[in-house]
Amino acid sequence: GAGVSQTPSNKVTEKGKYVELRCDPISGHTALYWYRQSLGQGPEFLIYFQGTGAADDSGLPNDRFFAVRPEGSVSTLKIQRTERGDSAVYLCASSPQGAQGYGYTFGSGTRLTVV
Amino acid sequence: AQSVTQPDIHITVSEGASLELRCNYSYGATPYLFWYVQSPGQGLQLLLKYFSGDTLVQGIKGFEAEFKRSQSSFNLRKPSVHWSDAAEYFCAVFLPSQAGTALIFGKGTTLSVSS
Repeated sequence: GAGVSQTPSNKVTEKGKYVELRCDPISGHTALYWYRQSLGQGPEFLIYFQGTGAADDSGLPNDRFFAVRPEGSVSTLKIQRTERGDSAVYLCASSPQGAQGYGYTFGSGTRLTVV
Repeated sequence: AQSVTQPDIHITVSEGASLELRCNYSYGATPYLFWYVQSPGQGLQLLLKYFSGDTLVQGIKGFEAEFKRSQSSFNLRKPSVHWSDAAEYFCAVFLPSQAGTALIFGKGTTLSVSS
């Protein structure tokens, strides 16, 4: 597609439930990033994929968070046993290979609310 | 500690007045520097970026930023603010010397524009 697409745009879930957030990057972009943005804060890095593999997952807060990118395009961020503190906007971005430093294209985000 | 700092949480500027948003970084080497804007409910949009060379860079929407190595700063400026500039502004850095890293964001500055 023309831009980075994230679905759903909004997700409300109950505490303890499992959620999946989807990111469809710009076609041909090999690098994909997930960020979390809490209210009043800047985006915080979660995980970075280069192709199918996670090149850096140091930002994942704990083992309830997991992300995959099995075919090197679409990525899914998975959160198990959700907690109210997981409520945030989850942002996805992509960039061409070798151009990570040149700025990313961000999606509009998924607003996750855990009640 | 390595960081990117935006000292001003919230700034209010009159329409037509000039604007300067501050950004400071603390890294051993000069990083790549970016400014992003986020309007309510929207994704992050790249305003401008600095890698090297001319320390005054021009961006979209009439914005510019000046890199000052001696002050470790990359302040964003606009000579005449429009009401549509009200948004959240984020400074970000990328460390090219560290392979596999991702953009690191400041906490942001909220810009309000008064009539």
